[in-house]
Amino acid sequence: DVKVTQSSRYLVKRTGEKVFLECVQDMDHENMFWYRQDPGLGLRLIYFSYDVKMKEKGDIPEGYSVSREKKERFSLILESASTNQTSMYLCASSFPRVGGDEQFFGPGTRLTVL
Amino acid sequence: GNSVTQMEGPVTLSEEAFLTINCTYTATGYPSLFWYVQYPGEGLQLLLKATKADDKGSNKGFEATYRKETTSFHLEKGSVQVSDSAVYFCALRNAGYSSASKIIFGSGTRLSIRP
Repeated sequence: DVKVTQSSRYLVKRTGEKVFLECVQDMDHENMFWYRQDPGLGLRLIYFSYDVKMKEKGDIPEGYSVSREKKERFSLILESASTNQTSMYLCASSFPRVGGDEQFFGPGTRLTVL
Repeated sequence: GNSVTQMEGPVTLSEEAFLTINCTYTATGYPSLFWYVQYPGEGLQLLLKATKADDKGSNKGFEATYRKETTSFHLEKGSVQVSDSAVYFCALRNAGYSSASKIIFGSGTRLSIRP
């Protein structure tokens, strides 16, 4: 079974702090994704990566950066956390396949910025 | 651009009731369509998918048919159980997207089943 793990289930940080969210997958997937989930807005893509050291902006990259130094690990970085970044953050991974490929999700990190 | 619209929740039903959650999409080309489910405290997991017109995806008693003429992918189940209480997301992936398989998600529909 594919397993996607995230470093924390719950995190509380203060405004201005630098925040690292870590994601690890164990199935050798090329693609990895970071989303945020907010009520009424569904999932919005922040960044994704289709290979080591490769990254592309998603729909809402402002205020975030990412790092992918190893294939299995994809980190989301909030350089200076703000209260509007309080949200649920979901990591996912997938193996590229023409049409119908499935994304596997981690359990999420609920981040609160005070 | 690509988008997914699904019915707003919450939806509350009694056990053994019939369920429909509507989903329509806008996309160029021939997208793949998905339903994901998120149980309380968990991440999303794929429930079912369909990759071409008239395909029917099914899993755990849920079904959805890819209707290109109405650009719809409605989720149905004949008899829901309390354990089906979750948030359901309709999603699409444009088959023409060549790099990382980016998926567009709907806003989610929360389903609650009363015993």
